[in-house]
Amino acid sequence: GESVGLHLPTLSVQEGDNSIINCAYSNSASDYFIWYKQESGKGPQFIIDIRSNMDKRQGQRVTVLLNKTVKHLSLQIAATQPGDSAVYFCAENRETDKLIFGTGTRLQVFP
Amino acid sequence: NAGVMQNPRHLVRRRGQEARLRCSPMKGHSHVYWYRQLPEEGLKFMVYLQKENIIDESGMPKERFSAEFPKEGPSILRIQQVVRGDSAAYFCASSPQGRNTGELFFGEGSRLTVL
Repeated sequence: GESVGLHLPTLSVQEGDNSIINCAYSNSASDYFIWYKQESGKGPQFIIDIRSNMDKRQGQRVTVLLNKTVKHLSLQIAATQPGDSAVYFCAENRETDKLIFGTGTRLQVFP
Repeated sequence: NAGVMQNPRHLVRRRGQEARLRCSPMKGHSHVYWYRQLPEEGLKFMVYLQKENIIDESGMPKERFSAEFPKEGPSILRIQQVVRGDSAAYFCASSPQGRNTGELFFGEGSRLTVL
């Protein structure tokens, strides 16, 4: 069936390094993706989005890359900080903001 | 500006009881979404509502679950005759009218534990 999933459940990085979180999707018709951050005990928080007419989009310290050929997207966080520790979800937006979330990747930042 | 408000934050029920979860969207938002999250899993879409209308309930279990968003007051997610498998975090999100931006504003969630 259709799915949005992640490669790695946990990613550990040293403070100051760059983090790359990956996400694969199976529906080739998917055209709008969003990354969310969820800190422990809190609700998800929007980070950045990308539509299929783009292959790269940058925000503050974050970059999302979309490769439609292999149905893969990634979230890159520059100069990772302790406050970046959270679970990161990619989500597919299927009309009217109905989001289909992946399983999530836990990012752990150590000093 | 207050964000999305959910209550209760934690709710404990025994099997067979009813659970009512409330969600007040952000001011000016007329679209409400409910999601369920099991431990160490992603969020699963349940239902999408606008004022007095259910737009998409494709993620709602066929029995025991219902949702409403009345003209006045918060949105309510109601679970009747709860079972242990209903134990989860239930998140509400809101958005302004029909922007389709993908940016939903989530509440802090209501954590239901069924004994």
